[in-house]
Amino acid sequence: DVKVTQSSRYLVKRTGEKVFLECVQDMDHENMFWYRQDPGLGLRLIYFSYDVKMKEKGDIPEGYSVSREKKERFSLILESASTNQTSMYLCASSSLAGGPYHEQFFGPGTRLTVL
Amino acid sequence: AQSVAQPEDQVNVAEGNPLTVKCTYSVSGNPYLFWYVQYPNRGLQFLLKYITGDNLVKGSYGFEAEFNKSQTSFHLKKPSALVSDSALYFCAVRDQAGTALIFGKGTTLSVSS
Repeated sequence: DVKVTQSSRYLVKRTGEKVFLECVQDMDHENMFWYRQDPGLGLRLIYFSYDVKMKEKGDIPEGYSVSREKKERFSLILESASTNQTSMYLCASSSLAGGPYHEQFFGPGTRLTVL
Repeated sequence: AQSVAQPEDQVNVAEGNPLTVKCTYSVSGNPYLFWYVQYPNRGLQFLLKYITGDNLVKGSYGFEAEFNKSQTSFHLKKPSALVSDSALYFCAVRDQAGTALIFGKGTTLSVSS
């Protein structure tokens, strides 16, 4: 089974702190994604990566950056956390081989609270 | 632009009754459609997908979905609901670039005993 793991289930940070959210997948997937989930808004794409050191902005990249130095690991960085970044963050991965119809596999999520 | 709509925030159904969770979509080109379920404080779990072929797609946990091209819908169904089906359900469509997914806002399914 595909496994996507996230470094923390719950995280509490203070405004202005630099925050790192880590995601690791074990299925050699090319694509990796970061979403944030907020009630009534569904999932919104922050950034995705289709290869090592490659990244693309999603719908809401402001205030975030990402890093992908190794194929299995995709990090989301909040350079200076703000209270409006309090949210559930979900990492996902998918295979590139075979076209656009592969499902994404999700990690358990990190619930981040910024005080 | 691709988009997905889930017109109901919440669906309530009694255990044993059939359930339907609605989804409509807007795409340019071929639609690649997905349903996911999320249990409390968990990540999303894949249920089923439509790529091409038969309009009735069967998935995990007894769920199925009916693709209707003329109505641009992809409703999730189950013949007999269980209390354990209570969860948040998301419909999604593949984006135009064929990489990311565009999600609906989600529908909370509540099954009462």
